[in-house]
Amino acid sequence: GENVEQHPSTLSVQEGDSAVIKCTYSDSASNYFPWYKQELGKRPQLIIDIRSNVGEKKDQRIAVTLNKTAKHFSLHITETQPEDSAVYFCAASKANSGYALNFGKGTSLLVTP
Amino acid sequence: DTGVSQDPRHKITKRGQNVTFRCDPISEHNRLYWYRQTLGQGPEFLTYFQNEAQLEKSRLLSDRFSAERPKGSFSTLEIQRTEQGDSAMYLCASSLASGDEQYFGPGTRLTVT
Repeated sequence: GENVEQHPSTLSVQEGDSAVIKCTYSDSASNYFPWYKQELGKRPQLIIDIRSNVGEKKDQRIAVTLNKTAKHFSLHITETQPEDSAVYFCAASKANSGYALNFGKGTSLLVTP
Repeated sequence: DTGVSQDPRHKITKRGQNVTFRCDPISEHNRLYWYRQTLGQGPEFLTYFQNEAQLEKSRLLSDRFSAERPKGSFSTLEIQRTEQGDSAMYLCASSLASGDEQYFGPGTRLTVT
């Protein structure tokens, strides 16, 4: 089955700095890669996603890049703010598994003022 | 409320008891997914439905677990003869169609004593 590795497990940055979280996946058939943000005690919420026919996608301060050959994708957050502090999960999925999400173990991001 | 809802939000049960959780997806969402999340980990896929049809089950879903979506709307997840290892947050998610964004519910936190 699909195996998703996520690094780092914790990340601390100062407000205004950039944060980068990296994920690798094992199943070359995976073609949909969402990123979820989960605040303490809350439900996971999608912040950005990318499909395998695209190499990069950006939404304001958040961007995701995908390298299909290397089977890795990354989340980039620029100009971080304290409200960005949360646990971030990457996931990989594919059509013939019904797009069931295989999640990484998460990255706990702390943005200090 | 137009989001995914789950009931109950918390459940404490004794080992060996049966429990049932309910998920109400967003209206008109055809896909419904169940995940389990333990502390410090990413959600793990359990099973999913396309309308009323259960299309895939994870190997995590032992014989003690059963899920239904009888009319293609709400879904139930039942755990029989609960064990302490079943203690986790059970998350439900729905999507309009295959490959679309999955919206998560608030989860049901199960504690088995």
